[in-house]
Amino acid sequence: QKEVEQNSGPLSVPEGAIASLNCTYSDRVSQSFFWYRQYSGKSPELIMSIYSNGDKEDGRFTAQLNKASQYVSLLIRDSQPSDSATYLCAVNRGPAILTGGGNKLTFGTGTQLKVEL
Amino acid sequence: SAVISQKPSRDICQRGTSLTIQCQVDSQVTMMFWYRQQPGQSLTLIATANQGSEATYESGFVIDKFPISRPNLTFSTLTVSNLSPEDSSIYLCSVGQGDSGYTFGSGTRLTVV
Repeated sequence: QKEVEQNSGPLSVPEGAIASLNCTYSDRVSQSFFWYRQYSGKSPELIMSIYSNGDKEDGRFTAQLNKASQYVSLLIRDSQPSDSATYLCAVNRGPAILTGGGNKLTFGTGTQLKVEL
Repeated sequence: SAVISQKPSRDICQRGTSLTIQCQVDSQVTMMFWYRQQPGQSLTLIATANQGSEATYESGFVIDKFPISRPNLTFSTLTVSNLSPEDSSIYLCSVGQGDSGYTFGSGTRLTVV
């Protein structure tokens, strides 16, 4: 079983729709979770971080965490063609506040999102 | 969040040679992380570099192949030694800053011919 699993896609959504990206993780002690966006040929860019169960919203993005189900998701509302990219889910065993970046991130394989006109 | 300057951005190297990649951070950080991203794949951690001590390598990565230096809290290098075509990848450095998450350098695209 992979530590962090994502559907590779591609996930195609029409412009203006909601894109839903999902991620599951195997390590129950994981405490901090991140979503990165990666455009082709570019390095990953942090979109969202989430540490507590429930929803966290930032603009058009909402991250959802369910630790009991070991499940993280990212919703993108009003999807735009510029959102077309690969979205990487990443998990850290440590709490980010205490970690200070001292723990490593484990990445999923990423989901390719295509937003079509 | 931290800003990382990584260089070179790309290089083409001959088999059997080595490439050294540099990362400079604009603030002091305890740990720096080196990742590899093979074509069409996700990121795989190579090692964690802590200032003043030897790097910690992940399973499948060894110091002789990927020596790392960390002379101070703002700088690190990764060398990829004895290059083979299988080493053709993107190499990325990263730092973490608490709730700000983890920031990546711009990456080094290595092609081995």
